[in-house]
Amino acid sequence: DARVTQTPRHKVTEMGQEVTMRCQPILGHNTVFWYRQTMMQGLELLAYFRNRAPLDDSGMPKDRFSAEMPDATLATLKIQPSEPRDSAVYFCASGLRTVVPTDTQYFGPGTRLTVL
Amino acid sequence: GQNIDQPTEMTATEGAIVQINCTYQTSGFNGLFWYQQHAGEAPTFLSYNVLDGLEEKGRFSSFLSRSKGYSYLLLKELQMKDSASYLCAVLHFKAAGNKLTFGGGTRVLVKP
Repeated sequence: DARVTQTPRHKVTEMGQEVTMRCQPILGHNTVFWYRQTMMQGLELLAYFRNRAPLDDSGMPKDRFSAEMPDATLATLKIQPSEPRDSAVYFCASGLRTVVPTDTQYFGPGTRLTVL
Repeated sequence: GQNIDQPTEMTATEGAIVQINCTYQTSGFNGLFWYQQHAGEAPTFLSYNVLDGLEEKGRFSSFLSRSKGYSYLLLKELQMKDSASYLCAVLHFKAAGNKLTFGGGTRVLVKP
């Protein structure tokens, strides 16, 4: 049963520290998405990739966030330095289409980040 | 900017029908998604509409009217497991590519 995996599942860190979240998309999927969800803002699309190239990262604060795909099996989202307002659940999703897909995106279980 | 409105919460009885409305104001509309999210879990894709009309998938149906900026998700024969949040999301064109903007979600509580 193919699934998107994310690590770590939970992360507690102190303000100013670097945070790296990892995602393994479903093998064969060519689009990867990073989302953030908070009670106040709801679900927001931060960035997405097609064939490992960033297509849109306009939803992401550029000064401290960066997203990369070093290879087809790994996507990373880094925050440096982290701030308390970054506390949220970060979801990764993968799919098969070349734009934001018209069929299923498969979501990972999420990384719950708490910045103290 | 983009504006998406949906009710915060709805309650319905097991076996009944519930209709969740979503209204939006956007430029460069390129489709509307519905997602289901159970508490503490990731969202799961339910439907995508880009043309006007009704799309039916089993107990769930989604409707779109582009001229009215309106969509609804219809849940029939409600089951207890349908208690969840339902997210409306609009896909729209930007110069840098497509962007997906979510509504705040509608929490549906199904009672016995």
